[in-house]
Amino acid sequence: RKEVEQDPGPFNVPEGATVAFNCTYSNSASQSFFWYRQDCRKEPKLLMSVYSSGNEDGRFTAQLNRASQYISLLIRDSKLSDSATYLCAVNWASGYSTLTFGKGTMLLVSP
Amino acid sequence: GAVVSQHPSWVICKSGTSVKIECRSLDFQATTMFWYRQFPKQSLMLMATSNEGSKATYEQGVEKDKFLINHASLTLSTLTVTSAHPEDSSFYICSAALKDRVKGYTFGSGTRLTVV
Repeated sequence: RKEVEQDPGPFNVPEGATVAFNCTYSNSASQSFFWYRQDCRKEPKLLMSVYSSGNEDGRFTAQLNRASQYISLLIRDSKLSDSATYLCAVNWASGYSTLTFGKGTMLLVSP
Repeated sequence: GAVVSQHPSWVICKSGTSVKIECRSLDFQATTMFWYRQFPKQSLMLMATSNEGSKATYEQGVEKDKFLINHASLTLSTLTVTSAHPEDSSFYICSAALKDRVKGYTFGSGTRLTVV
């Protein structure tokens, strides 16, 4: 069974804090990995793709650990506007197959 | 670029009626469209995959006669919820794969269906 697991949270952090989310996936043959952000009652929006070597985009850093089958997202210097649900998504195949999403981790950044 | 326009954004309908949701790719051709459903505090669950000009492939447990998918052109895919019941109330989202593998997929803005 192909599964993607995330800690549902919520993670309550103050502004300026660093927060990390982890996501585990069950299929070792998984091909592509993504982090999405979803605001309440909205569609998910791509935050970043996750590369094998890890990648950074401003305050956001994504890492992939194939051996342990998990991906992570690190957010530094949290802003109030970072409050949202963060979904990890995995593509099992090399073609344009569907994404499998985790349930998401809710982040609440407070003043 | 690579925008999928989804309509309506919300709909309230009576039990037993049918509702059609449209997804249009505005500036690209969507050969494949994915339809998801999301219940409150749950993940996006794939309902079906539709390919232009062919029958949709439904996930296990999704009734193909209840959730009719049509993908007659490269820019339009529709999902019709037939004989809707309150348990069908959910957030429905379409998604298309992008040629840019880095960006992956683009999503419609979702349709919140409430069946009363």
